[in-house]
Amino acid sequence: GNSVTQMEGPVTLSEEAFLTINCTYTATGYPSLFWYVQYPGEGLQLLLKATKADDKGSNKGFEATYRKETTSFHLEKGSVQVSDSAVYFCAGGGLTGGGNKLTFGTGTQLKVEL
Amino acid sequence: DGGITQSPKYLFRKEGQNVTLSCEQNLNHDAMYWYRQDPGQGLRLIYYSQIVNDFQKGDIAEGYSVSREKKESFPLTVTSAQKNPTAFYLCASSIGGQGLDEQYFGPGTRLTVT
Repeated sequence: GNSVTQMEGPVTLSEEAFLTINCTYTATGYPSLFWYVQYPGEGLQLLLKATKADDKGSNKGFEATYRKETTSFHLEKGSVQVSDSAVYFCAGGGLTGGGNKLTFGTGTQLKVEL
Repeated sequence: DGGITQSPKYLFRKEGQNVTLSCEQNLNHDAMYWYRQDPGQGLRLIYYSQIVNDFQKGDIAEGYSVSREKKESFPLTVTSAQKNPTAFYLCASSIGGQGLDEQYFGPGTRLTVT
């Protein structure tokens, strides 16, 4: 079935390092793609989104580009901070063409150290 | 402030008891969702509702029940039939019921059943 796959964590980086979290999807429709962030003990917050191929979502220094040719939506940040430590979820909506659910990846824990 | 509230934040129950988790939104969203999150795992959809007085089973509906009598409210009952109810439960809403819309999440309820 249609799914979202993201790299397993945990990912540990030093402050100011470059971050990439890979996310790929399989879909029979034309999905919207999302990155959510979850801080300990809290709900998920939308970080960024892209609704069509070649769109770039960006927020708080994070970016992700919707690549239809590689079915990917990798999350990047040029210089991470300790405050970015959290779990990041990639999600796809409408993977089955008109479907009304979000499908989430398993999450990637990021830990940023001084 | 518009948002989604879930109560309580922590809930403890004895095995064999039914328990109801509250979810309220004042975003005027049509669609609402319940997810379950287990440690180190992604989110799994329990139930969703695209409109008042209508709801559908998600991927793991067994042992759970919901109602949607008001647009603002979507309570989840964890019944004694749920074999492993201890988990973090997240409620979400979206403007429409299509997966293309981003979902907004509440802060979650951590349920512990002993």
